[in-house]
Amino acid sequence: DQQVKQNSPSLSVQEGRISILNCDYTNSMFDYFLWYKKYPAEGPTFLISISSIKDKNEDGRFTVFLNKSAKHLSLHIVPSQPGDSAVYFCAASQGGSEKLVFGKGTKLTVNP
Amino acid sequence: DAGVIQSPRHEVTEMGQEVTLRCKPISGHDYLFWYRQTMMRGLELLIYFNNNVPIDDSGMPEDRFSAKMPNASFSTLKIQPSEPRDSAVYFCASSSIGLAGFSYNEQFFGPGTRLTVL
Repeated sequence: DQQVKQNSPSLSVQEGRISILNCDYTNSMFDYFLWYKKYPAEGPTFLISISSIKDKNEDGRFTVFLNKSAKHLSLHIVPSQPGDSAVYFCAASQGGSEKLVFGKGTKLTVNP
Repeated sequence: DAGVIQSPRHEVTEMGQEVTLRCKPISGHDYLFWYRQTMMRGLELLIYFNNNVPIDDSGMPEDRFSAKMPNASFSTLKIQPSEPRDSAVYFCASSSIGLAGFSYNEQFFGPGTRLTVL
């Protein structure tokens, strides 16, 4: 049973437009959420995170939104750039645990 | 500063052989994680250590898998005997609880070992 779900395996967006990546979770005990970005032949790298006490966190072109009632979070990238083309993983943790549960990832392609 | 170092980067072996994957975490980090990435299951946590002690190995698929962390700068993941279904990319990651006592869960990943079992 997947506790963190990324239902879109892939997403294609034009350069300059907004990219929206979605993530759903089933465990209501999750209280911290993260997004990681992964390029081919490299390990995932941390991108942005959000605590369950917030509903939005912004860092430059990247914004994460959290809707606790819907158990849904999304990552917005504005404007999208070709260098953003990568696989994006959503992850969650609970109770200050170091253990992360990852989704399967969404492959984003930003076309020039 | 060097990041997380994994070796080998690629490993091709035959079914039944023993495979050992190696990881050197970032110096000063007190948590070490082993993950496996496959198309079907995504990124799965296999086991993690805190201060060299295994904390949670519930993700280890079966007895053929074992992991050790003999000191703060080295860990191994061993598969014996290996099977074709073990073919995957194996990542090691490390993190630090930090001075504030809260790590924010930012884990630093190595480049991974791509394992192919024929």
